Amino acid sequence: GDSVTQMEGPVTLSEEAFLTINCTYTATGYPSLFWYVQYPGEGLQLLLKATKADDKGSNKGFEATYRKETTSFHLEKGSVQVSDSAVYFCALSDLKSSASKIIFGSGTRLSIRP
Amino acid sequence: KAGVTQTPRYLIKTRGQQVTLSCSPISGHRSVSWYQQTPGQGLQFLFEYFSETQRNKGNFPGRFSGRQFSNSRSEMNVSTLELGDSALYLCASSPGTTNEQFFGPGTRLTVL
Repeated sequence: GDSVTQMEGPVTLSEEAFLTINCTYTATGYPSLFWYVQYPGEGLQLLLKATKADDKGSNKGFEATYRKETTSFHLEKGSVQVSDSAVYFCALSDLKSSASKIIFGSGTRLSIRP
Repeated sequence: KAGVTQTPRYLIKTRGQQVTLSCSPISGHRSVSWYQQTPGQGLQFLFEYFSETQRNKGNFPGRFSGRQFSNSRSEMNVSTLELGDSALYLCASSPGTTNEQFFGPGTRLTVL
């Protein structure tokens, strides 16, 4: 079945460092890909999305490009801030199987030091 | 536009009891999905309701059930609670025609 694999955490960086969180997926169809962020004590917020190959999603300085050839959707940010500390989830939703079901990776906890 | 709301935010129950959680979707959204989040299993899909009908279901036992009302509000019920049901239960709403979902803050259930 469809699945998402993302890099294990926790990831600790200094403020203004470059961030990469790796994500790869397995899907039989043509999924949409997402990055969600969860701040302490809160639900999930959609950070960015891409719906087809070579699409780049971006938001709040974060970017991710849908790479069909490598089945990847790595999250990047050029200069992280303390406020970016949160748990990040890579996810997919395949219209072929079910538009309503999102499959999540295990999450990567990110901590940014001032 | 108001976001997804869930009530209650926190709940403590004992084994064997049952519990009902509530979710109000974004106005105009007809689809409501439920997810369970635990440290061990991560985020897992429970089920989805669209226009009062269950449209999709995850791999959970029959103790987990749900329903949706004509105003799109949804409830999730867990009967005969077990310690392993302790989790954050997240509700997500969607227009139902796209695969983008908007999540509520969750209900933290603790089973003692």
